[in-house]
Amino acid sequence: NAGVTQTPKFRVLKTGQSMTLLCAQDMNHEYMYWYRQDPGMGLRLIHYSVGEGTTAKGEVPDGYNVSRLKKQNFLLGLESAAPSQTSVYFCASSYMGVSYEQYFGPGTRLTVT
Amino acid sequence: QQQVKQSPQSLIVQKGGISIINCAYENTAFDYFPWYQQFPGKGPALLIAIRPDVSEKKEGRFTISFNKSAKQFSLHIMDSQPGDSATYFCAARDSNYQLIWGAGTKLIIKP
Repeated sequence: NAGVTQTPKFRVLKTGQSMTLLCAQDMNHEYMYWYRQDPGMGLRLIHYSVGEGTTAKGEVPDGYNVSRLKKQNFLLGLESAAPSQTSVYFCASSYMGVSYEQYFGPGTRLTVT
Repeated sequence: QQQVKQSPQSLIVQKGGISIINCAYENTAFDYFPWYQQFPGKGPALLIAIRPDVSEKKEGRFTISFNKSAKQFSLHIMDSQPGDSATYFCAARDSNYQLIWGAGTKLIIKP
């Protein structure tokens, strides 16, 4: 079992460029999440999904879009990157809701210049 | 009201000592309180969790103490070891069934 994997691990973008972060889980979990982690701010939920074909906004969704076409994959898109989106992005999954253990991927470090 | 305030921001403890990290909240609708541990370069991992109908939960050297009336909960690490050096996050589940995270505490255990 690979658990939760994220690609890429690192990325540098110029302002205005777009990119997609891929998250994959092999635990057959229903719920998947995208967080961003910034120094001194803990984790903030960007978007989440409660099942294949569903997505919902979290605390900080602006500037991001997501899709969950397959149960095992959750994609995070940045359409026009801004320096404020420089962060470490974590994907997580859980069997059901957040009162079940969330399993996190290793993170993607994104720098927008 | 949606905040979880975590303290201290950083903590240095001697090997064998007790590490204590505190969290406070205002929203009485919060109903599940997990602690996650994060090592450098890794994602967070669940350490221990508690629900508000329980005042204390212990798993090995890790204990959560929960004070519902004070709206506070804390993590105690007994006999702290260098391998416990990590960043610890408290969190709380809100009425939208999402986790609200504390800012994190960087714990260093000195040998």
